[in-house]
Amino acid sequence: DTGVSQDPRHKITKRGQNVTFRCDPISEHNRLYWYRQTLGQGPEFLTYFQNEAQLEKSRLLSDRFSAERPKGSFSTLEIQRTEQGDSAMYLCASSPGTSGRAPWYEQYFGPGTRLTVT
Amino acid sequence: GEDVEQSLFLSVREGDSSVINCTYTDSSSTYLYWYKQEPGAGLQLLTYIFSNMDMKQDQRLTVLLNKKDKHLSLRIADTQTGDSAIYFCAESASHGSGNTGKLIFGQGTTLQVKP
Repeated sequence: DTGVSQDPRHKITKRGQNVTFRCDPISEHNRLYWYRQTLGQGPEFLTYFQNEAQLEKSRLLSDRFSAERPKGSFSTLEIQRTEQGDSAMYLCASSPGTSGRAPWYEQYFGPGTRLTVT
Repeated sequence: GEDVEQSLFLSVREGDSSVINCTYTDSSSTYLYWYKQEPGAGLQLLTYIFSNMDMKQDQRLTVLLNKKDKHLSLRIADTQTGDSAIYFCAESASHGSGNTGKLIFGQGTTLQVKP
């Protein structure tokens, strides 16, 4: 089991550009979560998927944000027209969910993608 | 609404016990978690407790839950310099008739361990 992976680990972009992050969950985990963490704060929930279905989105997820999990495996988070306020660590997590392989409530995090908008 | 609060900083000497405290507001939370975050890294799941338990022990870690007061604590015995990190308390938020597993985090407690 290789754990949750995220790519890239760091991204520096200019305001107004689009960025896309990728998350690969632990194999056979059917729940996948995105969180955002700003300096000195705890992670804040953005959205989650069960398999390919996006079941909940936070009010933090403005229209410029979109997330997909097309085949129920990896997920992408895209931010369009980035703003300086988007600078943060974007964390992905996965849990077994309803797969039955392990306790559904154990949620494991990836290393995060640190976004800096200049 | 859902809210989780923690004290921001704790300093202890190596070998002492550390106790990190947390309060939460959602009485319907089913699971409560402790995560550890080292600089520049993601979150490591340390332990969790079901809401119908009072205590859980896992090696050097002891979690105590007072459901009446909505108070959770993490005790680290024989604290080592490698335990220096930020510790986050989190509750599993309920959503409608199911539990989404969405976590609500506190702002984190920075644990400093002095040699």
